[in-house]
Amino acid sequence: QVQLVQSGAEVKKPGSSVKVSCKASGGTFSSYAISWVRQAPGQGLEWMGRIIPILGIANYAQKFQGRVTITADKSTSTAYMELSSLRSEDTAVYYCARTSGYYGYWGQGTLVTVSS
Amino acid sequence: EIVLTQSPATLSLSPGERATLSCGASQSVSSSYLAWYQQKPGLAPRLLIYDASSRATGIPDRFSGSGSGTDFTLTISRLEPEDFAVYYCQQYGSSPPGTFGQGTKVEIK
Repeated sequence: QVQLVQSGAEVKKPGSSVKVSCKASGGTFSSYAISWVRQAPGQGLEWMGRIIPILGIANYAQKFQGRVTITADKSTSTAYMELSSLRSEDTAVYYCARTSGYYGYWGQGTLVTVSS
Repeated sequence: EIVLTQSPATLSLSPGERATLSCGASQSVSSSYLAWYQQKPGLAPRLLIYDASSRATGIPDRFSGSGSGTDFTLTISRLEPEDFAVYYCQQYGSSPPGTFGQGTKVEIK
């Protein structure tokens, strides 16, 4: 049974950074891409980027280029998403999802609140 | 970049009725690489359909997907109380992968 467990909620100041983790269990971590998707309050789903752990290669949505970094630690089966230069519009729930093109498994979500 | 447009934005129906949700793509979706998700408040999305018409594991057969090219449909044959939720389509045939539609809310009439 594949499970993705994310780190807990965060409150951050504008201009700071946040790093969210996503620990996988079950399945083969390195063989699938892990994507990050966010959802602002009352809004839809927005893809941010993904990483293929076995290759260590990440690609990002153009909107987040230069502000987001996605990494993976194969030894602990954990993926990370770091978002910098936070602003109030980044307040959202951030999800990781195992990717086979589509998203078969999702983490529980991590609420990031950006507020002064 | 492929843009997905879902319609209607809101669908008001009663339990037992049939729901038909549409997802239109601005360009042809390669190999019918289109998925549908259900999301309930406070929860992560759940995969319903992948490759346009394949049901994910454990999904009841009242959910079905169809379509190809630029026009896709999710049908719920008879709405159960637990089916009232928001539904999203997503394409994964073109770069950037993972673009979503804006969602259709199925609400109780």
